[in-house]
Amino acid sequence: GAVVSQHPSWVICKSGTSVKIECRSLDFQATTMFWYRQFPKQSLMLMATSNEGSKATYEQGVEKDKFLINHASLTLSTLTVTSAHPEDSSFYICSARRTGNTGELFFGEGSRLTVL
Amino acid sequence: KNEVEQSPQNLTAQEGEFITINCSYSVGISALHWLQQHPGGGIVSLFMLSSGKKKHGRLIATINIQEKHSSLHITASHPRDSAVYICSGSRLTFGEGTQLTVNP
Repeated sequence: GAVVSQHPSWVICKSGTSVKIECRSLDFQATTMFWYRQFPKQSLMLMATSNEGSKATYEQGVEKDKFLINHASLTLSTLTVTSAHPEDSSFYICSARRTGNTGELFFGEGSRLTVL
Repeated sequence: KNEVEQSPQNLTAQEGEFITINCSYSVGISALHWLQQHPGGGIVSLFMLSSGKKKHGRLIATINIQEKHSSLHITASHPRDSAVYICSGSRLTFGEGTQLTVNP
């Protein structure tokens, strides 16, 4: 089946540093990828939609300068949390939609970010 | 009010029991996803439904587009089914999740 890989699976960083999280579709091409954030005991919240070769579309309330998204190829999207602060600590998850497919999503395993 | 609502929020069952989790949504969607999230956080897509019913192993998902309602059923439940089950609409809005615990 289709596999989406996220890296790193967990990261601890100091406040003020930037952290990059990668989302790769390993065996299919994904024109569209999605980034989510999940706080403890809460459901996923869509942060942004990432389209290959164009700017990401951010959901209301998500700071695009804070959460930089790049989707430079059909198999890779990256989320960079810039100048991270403790309140950015969260579980970040990506999903990918296979090119040409209008529905099914394949999810990554998630990346847990802890900002000290 | 969340566009996607699930019930129950928590469910505890004995191994072997038949389980039903419900999802109601308030906006029109073209497809609905059922997801499973294990304690480690990783998410697995179980079903994508646009109409009718789908079955995969012991899992069955149904959807009624007119009533804006979907159900996920687990037959012969097993402790390894313990997880959070989440339904999601096509606008990528998510229910709060149902925490299922199956005891041996």
